[in-house]
Amino acid sequence: EAGVTQSPTHLIKTRGQQATLRCSPISGHTSVYWYQQALGLGLQFLLWYDEGEERNRGNFPPRFSGRQFPNYSSELNVNALELEDSALYLCASRLPGLIDEQFFGPGTRLTVL
Amino acid sequence: GQQVMQIPQYQHVQEGEDFTTYCNSSTTLSNIQWYKQRPGGHPVFLIQLVKSGEVKKQKRLTFQFGEAKKNSSLHITATQTTDVGTYFCAGRAGSYQLTFGKGTKLSVIP
Repeated sequence: EAGVTQSPTHLIKTRGQQATLRCSPISGHTSVYWYQQALGLGLQFLLWYDEGEERNRGNFPPRFSGRQFPNYSSELNVNALELEDSALYLCASRLPGLIDEQFFGPGTRLTVL
Repeated sequence: GQQVMQIPQYQHVQEGEDFTTYCNSSTTLSNIQWYKQRPGGHPVFLIQLVKSGEVKKQKRLTFQFGEAKKNSSLHITATQTTDVGTYFCAGRAGSYQLTFGKGTKLSVIP
């Protein structure tokens, strides 16, 4: 069974540009979560999508947005990039059930210059 | 909002020594999960605890959930170099999304 995949692996942008990150969940998983992992700050929750709808968002400005497609894959968009957006962006998928386990992808390393 | 505090932030141990990381939530949790992230890797699920006072073991790892369901601990007996990584707790309160602690980075000196 294929795991969660993310693309691209690395992304280099300059301040003010826009970045698009993509995530494909494990087959059958309907929930997708996005996290930002900046150095020393742990995992900061960004967005949660389930069945195509945004269910919750973390404490991030509106320039962080995303969507979930009918095939449950997801896209994270970051507009007007700032230097502090440089981080590892992790996507996780979950199959709703008794075990709450989230399966993480390898992440996209975003560098803003 | 819900906060999950994890201590210590860093721990350096000699191989063979024990290691413990602690997690405290500002609110009562419906469950708590533990994840391990190896250097350069992504978080991998270790375990989920649901019941008050629950204790679970995985080989040298012992996980506990407090009686009040607001704290948890992970204890590793006789650490090995393969235990190196960052250990995260993540708590869920009701139907809210998981809130992750900042993690404890474990270094094992051979």
